[in-house]
Amino acid sequence: AQTVTQSQPEMSVQEAETVTLSCTYDTSESDYYLFWYKQPPSRQMILVIRQEAYKQQNATENRFSVNFQKAAKSFSLKISDSQLGDAAMYFCAYRSETGAGSYQLTFGKGTKLSVIP
Amino acid sequence: EAGVAQSPRYKIIEKRQSVAFWCNPISGHATLYWYQQILGQGPKLLIQFQNNGVVDDSQLPKDRFSAERLKGVDSTLKIQPAKLEDSAVYLCASSRDRGKSDYGYTFGSGTRLTVV
Repeated sequence: AQTVTQSQPEMSVQEAETVTLSCTYDTSESDYYLFWYKQPPSRQMILVIRQEAYKQQNATENRFSVNFQKAAKSFSLKISDSQLGDAAMYFCAYRSETGAGSYQLTFGKGTKLSVIP
Repeated sequence: EAGVAQSPRYKIIEKRQSVAFWCNPISGHATLYWYQQILGQGPKLLIQFQNNGVVDDSQLPKDRFSAERLKGVDSTLKIQPAKLEDSAVYLCASSRDRGKSDYGYTFGSGTRLTVV
């Protein structure tokens, strides 16, 4: 079974600075998808960025980018020019096939990000 | 498009009572998931439906939890009887393409259950 590990329970960053959240995973598959989700106090999970393992180029979405190291099974999230609205829980997730032609997400335990004004 | 709707938003019950949660996925999303998120942890999959059939319920505590999606649209998750350790947020999510969507899944805002 796939596992996702986030080793930083909490992180903080000054407003306008850059922060990197870490994620490692374990899999024997060669092609898969990885995601970062943001969960604000409203509890709704919001997709931040995604990466297909087949693609070597790191994904970028505005101020959010990833450092995907397939051999190391590492998938870190970099937030540039941090804003107060970035404060939330961040979850790394791995998409796996259930074996019935369907897919599901496995999540890490999350990192709580605080942004200091 | 409308999002994933869940109700109630909060629920407080005593242990050994029963409770039910409701989810209405995005129109056209055949795949529906229920996740349990205990405080300080990531969401854990309880059950996955494809239309009205169960794809995976391997992590559902079947002695007390049940779920159904009779018409392949709305879904209900029930706990009977509840235990203190069931206190958590219950998230519903939906997806197209059997969950293979490259854009992840759309989540509802969840139901926060407190068992006292």
